[in-house]
Amino acid sequence: EAQVTQNPRYLITVTGKKLTVTCSQNMNHEYMSWYRQDPGLGLRQIYYSMNVEVTDKGDVPEGYKVSRKEKRNFPLILESPSPNQTSLYFCASSLLGLTPSGANVLTFGAGSRLTVL
Amino acid sequence: QQQVKQSPQSLIVQKGGISIINCAYENTAFDYFPWYQQFPGKGPALLIAIRPDVSEKKEGRFTISFNKSAKQFSLHIMDSQPGDSATYFCAASIGGSNYKLTFGKGTLLTVNP
Repeated sequence: EAQVTQNPRYLITVTGKKLTVTCSQNMNHEYMSWYRQDPGLGLRQIYYSMNVEVTDKGDVPEGYKVSRKEKRNFPLILESPSPNQTSLYFCASSLLGLTPSGANVLTFGAGSRLTVL
Repeated sequence: QQQVKQSPQSLIVQKGGISIINCAYENTAFDYFPWYQQFPGKGPALLIAIRPDVSEKKEGRFTISFNKSAKQFSLHIMDSQPGDSATYFCAASIGGSNYKLTFGKGTLLTVNP
């Protein structure tokens, strides 16, 4: 089944304890991205990657790191989590380029709910 | 500065009714306007999308209406069903791609049986 898999799905941690949220896709997509979803704020882009070793900041990159060493994986790293990073995180992926009808479909994972105490 | 304003925040509709969600944007460079549907515990999924060269796009019971001069676009759900109960997000981007989508804040739709 074509999918984007995120782990862990739920995590409670404490301030300052480094953590990594993994994201893996099995669709051979070049483009991958991380979003955070907060009540009343919608989805905001954290980082994105157009291909292996190519990453760029989104709208809210502060406090996060990413890496893209393999095409299928795009982990999100919180070096020193703080309570304001408590959120629901989504990884997404798509093919690059456009189709005759528009953008390629962006496929989202099921989400990772992170609580930082 | 919020670039895509979505309203209402929540909407309750009776089964069989029409659900209408509106979005307004400020950046005239936006040229791709998708709508995403999100069920509880799931990630958003593309529902329907429109480019500014057309004023309306229909897929089944879902229709996007687009008004370029007013910088507004809306989602109409005809014959709304309880299974349509979800959170809906409008979004916009430049270059026709998904690479840097700017999302609205979302609308929680509840369709009562």
